[in-house]
Parts: sequence; structure tokens; C-alpha cells
Amino acid sequence: GDSVTQMEGPVTLSEEAFLTINCTYTATGYPSLFWYVQYPGEGLQLLLKATKADDKGSNKGFEATYRKETTSFHLEKGSVQVSDSAVYFCALGGNTNAGKSTFGDGTTLTVKP
Amino acid sequence: NAGVTQTPKFRVLKTGQSMTLLCAQDMNHEYMYWYRQDPGMGLRLIHYSVGEGTTAKGEVPDGYNVSRLKKQNFLLGLESAAPSQTSVYFCASSDLDIGLDEQYFGPGTRLTVT
Repeated sequence: GDSVTQMEGPVTLSEEAFLTINCTYTATGYPSLFWYVQYPGEGLQLLLKATKADDKGSNKGFEATYRKETTSFHLEKGSVQVSDSAVYFCALGGNTNAGKSTFGDGTTLTVKP
Repeated sequence: NAGVTQTPKFRVLKTGQSMTLLCAQDMNHEYMYWYRQDPGMGLRLIHYSVGEGTTAKGEVPDGYNVSRLKKQNFLLGLESAAPSQTSVYFCASSDLDIGLDEQYFGPGTRLTVT
């Protein structure tokens, strides 16, 4: 079945450092790919998405590119801020799996001033 | 638009008690989901619905029941609560067109069973 493997955390960075959170997937079809972010005490919210191979999703300085050849969707940001501290989830869309999304286990990011 | 709302936000139950969690969405989405989130275990799908009047089991359905009598509402029931059901519960909804199948999450319900 479909699966998502995320880089294990927690990740601790200093402010203005470069961030990469790795995400690889296995899927039977060609699902949309998503990154969600969860701030403390809140539900998940969409950070960015890509719907087909070579698409780049971007939002709030974060970027990820849908790489079909390496089945990856790594999240990057050039300069993190303290306010980026959160849990990040990589996910496959449900369009190719009877409506069920597949989520990674989440990576906790802490950014220190 | 309120998006996805959940009630209650917090609840404490004694073992064996029952309760119902309510999820409502105002985006006319066909698909709705219930997840539980436990420390170190990510999100686990409990039940989901592909439309009004339908429900299906997810990854961890035991001990829970659901109903989707109206398109905008998805109810999660615990008939006899157990300490193992202490968790944070999230409801979500989505459309299913390619490129539009992101999930919209509610703020969560924190449930403690003593």
C-alpha cells in the first residue's frame, strides 16, 4: 500500500539556518503531495502542495518539489524563524487511494533565537 | 466560512462512560475523517466517510462508531470509554478532485479517560 517516510526528528536549528526535512513515498498511482504544519495546540493546516511531477509548491518561504524519479518531496526553507517551530507532516493525497490520505509520522522542528 | 469545527474542545470521562464528538464543516465537502493523534504515533485514521449516509473503517476503528446523517456533520461515538482512548481527536474534510484533495482539519478535541 501507499506509505510516507519522513526524516526523523526532532530537529533543532538556530534562527536563519537552512532547513531540509526529507520525505519519500511509495504510491500505486500519482497522488498529489502535501506538506502540513501543526502549531502547538492546533490542528494541521496545509503548508504547500504539488499535484504532478516536477511541480514546485511554495508558501511562506517554504518550498518542495514533486520528484517522481526519486519519489521524494523534501521540504526546504532558506532561513528559518522562531515562529516556524512546529510539527511538519508530509502526506499523499487521497485522490488515488479511495479518499484516504497517507501521512508521515511528523517531524518536530524547534528554532532557537 | 468557519471551516471545520469540533465540539467539545476538552472532555474528561471515567472508564465505561460514553460520549459523542461532533464535527461540522461548511465547505460542502464529500469526504470526512476522524483521526486520533498520540505522542510519537503521528495521525491514525479511525473512520471516514465518502458521502452522506456512508461510513467506512480506517486503521484503528475498534471501540468507536460513527454516523454521517447530514453531509456537513460527522459524529464519532465512544460507547464505553477506556483509558487507551485518551488522545487528541481531529476531524478533517476534503474534496477529491485531483489537486483539491488537501484535508482541512478542525482544532481538535482533547479527551482524557480516567
